[in-house]
Amino acid sequence: DAKTTQPNSMESNEEEPVHLPCNHSTISGTDYIHWYRQLPSQGPEYVIHGLTSNVNNRMASLAIAEDRKSSTLILHRATLRDAAVYYCILRGRLGFGNEKLTFGTGTRLTIIP
Amino acid sequence: ETGVTQSPTHLIKTRGQQVTLRCSSQSGHNTVSWYQQALGQGPQFIFQYYREEENGRGNFPPRFSGLQFPNYSSELNVNALELDDSALYLCASSGLGQGYGYTFGSGTRLTVV
Repeated sequence: DAKTTQPNSMESNEEEPVHLPCNHSTISGTDYIHWYRQLPSQGPEYVIHGLTSNVNNRMASLAIAEDRKSSTLILHRATLRDAAVYYCILRGRLGFGNEKLTFGTGTRLTIIP
Repeated sequence: ETGVTQSPTHLIKTRGQQVTLRCSSQSGHNTVSWYQQALGQGPQFIFQYYREEENGRGNFPPRFSGLQFPNYSSELNVNALELDDSALYLCASSGLGQGYGYTFGSGTRLTVV
């Protein structure tokens, strides 16, 4: 399985932007980059995903390096509700039996009021 | 959208017993996956079902089995429970294709004593 590497923890001040990095040097050409977050006592929540181009949605932005070996999840203005464990995951192609999500240990994001 | 619902939310079983966990997929989703999350760890992939057939399996023994029904709901069965099976069990559903994100339920907390 292609793996991802993330910092164990990060801190950010409330109302400031947050950049969460992820390295995935063994990514294949068909892998999508997915980000999920997990709040305490809840299941993971989908945040965003992309293949090659940068992506934006109402929750966050995803910046993907040109060689696709790294990506950055950007929270434009952190709130206390963004405190969670953030997982960067590679999802393989459907039908090849490898479309599962392989979670690492993620980055625990702490928001400082 | 109704989201993914799991039942029961909590369960206590004795070692050696059998357990069945249930999941209702989000409307319009035809792929369902199950994950096991031990305390302090990221979720680990158990298996995935698509069109009522298993099409991917993680490193779990055969006593972990599942079903997907025509309405895309699903069951996870675990036989001969062991103490190490104590964990949060998460169900996730998705649309067809790797471009879709997964929607996770809140999980079933299983305690084996």
